[in-house]
Amino acid sequence: DSGVTQTPKHLITATGQRVTLRCSPRSGDLSVYWYQQSLDQGLQFLIQYYNGEERAKGNILERFSAQQFPDLHSELNLSSLELGDSALYFCASSVEQYFGPGTRLTVT
Amino acid sequence: AQSVTQLDSQVPVFEEAPVELRCNYSSSVSVYLFWYVQYPNQGLQLLLKYLSGSTLVESINGFEAEFNKSQTSFHLRKPSVHISDTAEYFCAVSVPRLGSGGYNKLIFGAGTRLAVHP
Repeated sequence: DSGVTQTPKHLITATGQRVTLRCSPRSGDLSVYWYQQSLDQGLQFLIQYYNGEERAKGNILERFSAQQFPDLHSELNLSSLELGDSALYFCASSVEQYFGPGTRLTVT
Repeated sequence: AQSVTQLDSQVPVFEEAPVELRCNYSSSVSVYLFWYVQYPNQGLQLLLKYLSGSTLVESINGFEAEFNKSQTSFHLRKPSVHISDTAEYFCAVSVPRLGSGGYNKLIFGAGTRLAVHP
């Protein structure tokens, strides 16, 4: 158990919809990283937050946004969903980047 | 920019045989190196990492990896594999960040699927 929690585990939604993925980092960790894992793109870094502030941005679409709250949990918002957004979304925390179990998003 | 190449997409091996999963990276600056393992329908688990110091790093379950700067490699080895080692293995690099703010992003290779057969 990495100590990183993610909810929900699975999410099935339709194209055009909006979803929110939630991540709680390990106790005391200030950093949260979001990654997307898909069959065609592999594991891609999306965005990093550190103590509430955006620290780095990767291949994150404009339809996607994230934030980190004062209690350090983070949310990844995906809007105007497309079939190609179907993927596993992971968050990680800590300097060594311990990963959560992921949220499997299926867009139909 | 940094990149990671995992030279084998799949590695089949018999139980109790040795295995090597190859990883090469490209970077103009020093990097940290990681191996992660992903079991079916699970998240990624950190297997081992190289930050500095001894170039040979070991995990608790018998894997080891050696950082070779001249060959820009970080190959993962195990002298005798078990059925339970069947999983996908990802090599990753990260550029060290000065000061606070956590580590920089991980850049992953495409993964190597290790299949251990009885």
